[in-house]
Amino acid sequence: AQKVTQAQTEISVVEKEDVTLDCVYETRDTTYYLFWYKQPPSGELVFLIRRNSFDEQNEISGRYSWNFQKSTSSFNFTITASQVVDSAVYFCALTLSNTGNQFYFGTGTSLTVIP
Amino acid sequence: DTGVSQDPRHKITKRGQNVTFRCDPISEHNRLYWYRQTLGQGPEFLTYFQNEAQLEKSRLLSDRFSAERPKGSFSTLEIQRTEQGDSAMYLCASSSGQAYNSPLHFGNGTRLTVT
Repeated sequence: AQKVTQAQTEISVVEKEDVTLDCVYETRDTTYYLFWYKQPPSGELVFLIRRNSFDEQNEISGRYSWNFQKSTSSFNFTITASQVVDSAVYFCALTLSNTGNQFYFGTGTSLTVIP
Repeated sequence: DTGVSQDPRHKITKRGQNVTFRCDPISEHNRLYWYRQTLGQGPEFLTYFQNEAQLEKSRLLSDRFSAERPKGSFSTLEIQRTEQGDSAMYLCASSSGQAYNSPLHFGNGTRLTVT
């Protein structure tokens, strides 16, 4: 069975601190994709990044970076120099190549950045 | 690109009533998804259309739920004889390209409250 675990339910940081959101996934498939989404208070889920199972290269986009490690089945997300606008719920999700119609989402991590 | 549009944003209904939600996907997207999100949880897959064909339904979708996508454009999700357990945010998403590696583009959702 497929599963995504986000053990951190809520995190609070002071503005300008760095914060890492953890994501651990389970699947027996060898071909899969991992995603991160942001859900601000307005409610709309916003796509942040996609990573396939064959590409373990870390990625940086501005203040955001992602660390994919197949050995530990983790796809962690780091925000550097956090800002108040980063306050949101962040979801990690998994799709499989053979059942690609369904995204398996974690339960989300609620991040609050305190000014 | 006007994004995914959902209507209404909020719906309050009494138990036993029927409700219908509408979703207008991004115009060039051939795939449309319905998800349900309850408080503190990630989105859960309900059903999926490719063009006008409903290709997959979750076991979460009881026989009181029905979804349609006539002509492969907008979609409706109807819940008959609503129950308090149906209270949730109903999210619509659309995508194009390959199913398992294409990010979903979500609407703002319809929040249903059953009293």
